[in-house]
Amino acid sequence: QIVVTQEPSFSVSPGGTVTLTCGLNFGSASTSYPTWYQQTPGQAPRTLIYNTNIRSSGVPDRFSGSILGNKAALTITGAQADDESVYYCVLYIDRGVWVFGGGTKLTVL
Amino acid sequence: EVQLLQSGGGLVQPGGSLRLSCAASGFTFSSSALNWVRQAPGKGLEWVSSISGSGDSTYYIDSVKGRFTISRDNSKNTFFLQMHSLRDEDTAVYYCAKAGGGAYASTWYPDCWGQGTLVTVSS
Repeated sequence: QIVVTQEPSFSVSPGGTVTLTCGLNFGSASTSYPTWYQQTPGQAPRTLIYNTNIRSSGVPDRFSGSILGNKAALTITGAQADDESVYYCVLYIDRGVWVFGGGTKLTVL
Repeated sequence: EVQLLQSGGGLVQPGGSLRLSCAASGFTFSSSALNWVRQAPGKGLEWVSSISGSGDSTYYIDSVKGRFTISRDNSKNTFFLQMHSLRDEDTAVYYCAKAGGGAYASTWYPDCWGQGTLVTVSS
């Protein structure tokens, strides 16, 4: 069974930098077209990064995507209070199938 | 501006059926692949299904194969998720989402999202 792993939670200080990761139990996330989303309670997700490192329209450049080893990574530089959200990654597996990670709850304090 | 307006959620008994609709505007509908993604209460996101712009190609998560059908009406800029044999574990907020651009399924990440509609399967 394909499992996409994310850290359950993370905290960052205001103005700080945090890197969230997204891994795949079989294979490498680097070849799986990673996409990142931000979701706040009661809202639909917002696309941040697609195809590893391409910022979606209107997303501030303090959000960036990359590959660290065999994992996809989302880095937030200069964290702000309203970055406190749940962040999800999704990976393309094969034959049209996408699998989301369980999400990382980011606290800014 | 891309807009996706969802309808069709509600309460249904186990074993029942429901059809979700998503009316789209603000982009070239017939050229765009589309997705359904769901989120069970208090849980994470789960990709459910995708359909190509022409409707010729469809994909499903294993847990809904044979029960759910994704379709589209390009003349009405609307797409659908027909759900049969619903189970308790299908209870979720269902989001429709325009896919990222590209001809291949590997480019069809959920991009622009609808507001979500709650499907509750309960007796």
